[in-house]
Amino acid sequence: NAGVTQTPKFQVLKTGQSMTLQCAQDMNHNSMYWYRQDPGMGLRLIYYSASEGTTDKGEVPNGYNVSRLNKREFSLRLESAAPSQTSVYFCASSERVSENNQPQHFGDGTRLSIL
Amino acid sequence: RKEVEQDPGPFNVPEGATVAFNCTYSNSASQSFFWYRQDCRKEPKLLMSVYSSGNEDGRFTAQLNRASQYISLLIRDSKLSDSATYLCVAREGRALTFGSGTRLQVQP
Repeated sequence: NAGVTQTPKFQVLKTGQSMTLQCAQDMNHNSMYWYRQDPGMGLRLIYYSASEGTTDKGEVPNGYNVSRLNKREFSLRLESAAPSQTSVYFCASSERVSENNQPQHFGDGTRLSIL
Repeated sequence: RKEVEQDPGPFNVPEGATVAFNCTYSNSASQSFFWYRQDCRKEPKLLMSVYSSGNEDGRFTAQLNRASQYISLLIRDSKLSDSATYLCVAREGRALTFGSGTRLQVQP
């Protein structure tokens, strides 16, 4: 049982390049999330998907797009990478987004550097 | 002003010590609360949920004070393996809001 799996684990891009971060969960969770973590700022929500077929903006959506491909998979795309998007990206999932005390389970992160 | 604020630390304590962290949140409508633990360069992992009545899990005790809008985490008999960053988390509607974390270093 892998939980939440993110690929790739590390990536270096040049400014302007595009790439997609992949996330898959095998816990049959309905809700999935993408966060970025920067030093001194904690985790900030980029986008989330409450259920298959829906996506919503989080706190810092600009410069990103997402796709909830199916119940298992939620991808994050950078269309034109900028140095400000250098960060550690975490994908997470939970059973349902709107129920109290539902914890989120995290993947082990993607370390992205943009030169 | 951050919605969830924590003292970044580091808190340097000897093995066996008792240490407490506090966290304040600004949104009185926050519905539920958690403590997560994050080891260096690793993903956050749920440590415990926080209930209004207070709850305990082994050496860890969490408290919620809604009137003052703060959450606390108490760690008794600290172990070297407790060294990590502890993230305070508040649920506001559909989203979780994370504090920046408090770093704990337990020393032999």
